Amino acid sequence: AQSVAQPEDQVNVAEGNPLTVKCTYSVSGNPYLFWYVQYPNRGLQFLLKYITGDNLVKGSYGFEAEFNKSQTSFHLKKPSALVSDSALYFCAGRNYGGSQGNLIFGKGTKLSVKP
Amino acid sequence: ETGVTQSPTHLIKTRGQQVTLRCSSQSGHNTVSWYQQALGQGPQFIFQYYREEENGRGNFPPRFSGLQFPNYSSELNVNALELDDSALYLCASSLEGRTGYGYTFGSGTRLTVV
Repeated sequence: AQSVAQPEDQVNVAEGNPLTVKCTYSVSGNPYLFWYVQYPNRGLQFLLKYITGDNLVKGSYGFEAEFNKSQTSFHLKKPSALVSDSALYFCAGRNYGGSQGNLIFGKGTKLSVKP
Repeated sequence: ETGVTQSPTHLIKTRGQQVTLRCSSQSGHNTVSWYQQALGQGPQFIFQYYREEENGRGNFPPRFSGLQFPNYSSELNVNALELDDSALYLCASSLEGRTGYGYTFGSGTRLTVV
């Protein structure tokens, strides 16, 4: 079965420090992978995606993610965290060429950045 | 370019009632998907509509149904509401055949069933 896992329920980081939010995936075929951010009582806001090409993907607000096929991972990173980055982060995947256009989401990781 | 808009933003219903949620897709998008996000969980795929027909469905019972209109807007209908249907319902639009362009999500409708 296809799945996306976010092993950490919460990540705590001090402002200015680098942050990593982990994601691993299990999909058949070539994966399409996404990161979304959700602020309280809001919908999902797109950060970045991996379709093909360079394993390091750059996205919005200084975020980037590294696709690692051998480890089936797609970790989200940022060199210097901001307090305003505090939110709920979701990793999602889609099987390329699948008949259903649905995304499979991880359960989310709450990022808390302290001043 | 307009984004995805959903209405209403909040809704309270009584168990056993029926509810209709609405979604206007992003300009240029022809596919709409609906997701249910229970508290503390990731979104779960309900179904997808393309060319006014359902072309994919997640593990949800038939009392969850939908429509897509010629202008690509969509409705999600839930009959015989249960307490567990309380959740944030998210609509996402995309351009079928152009998966690489991704999905644009609305801000959601918060449904509370009492």
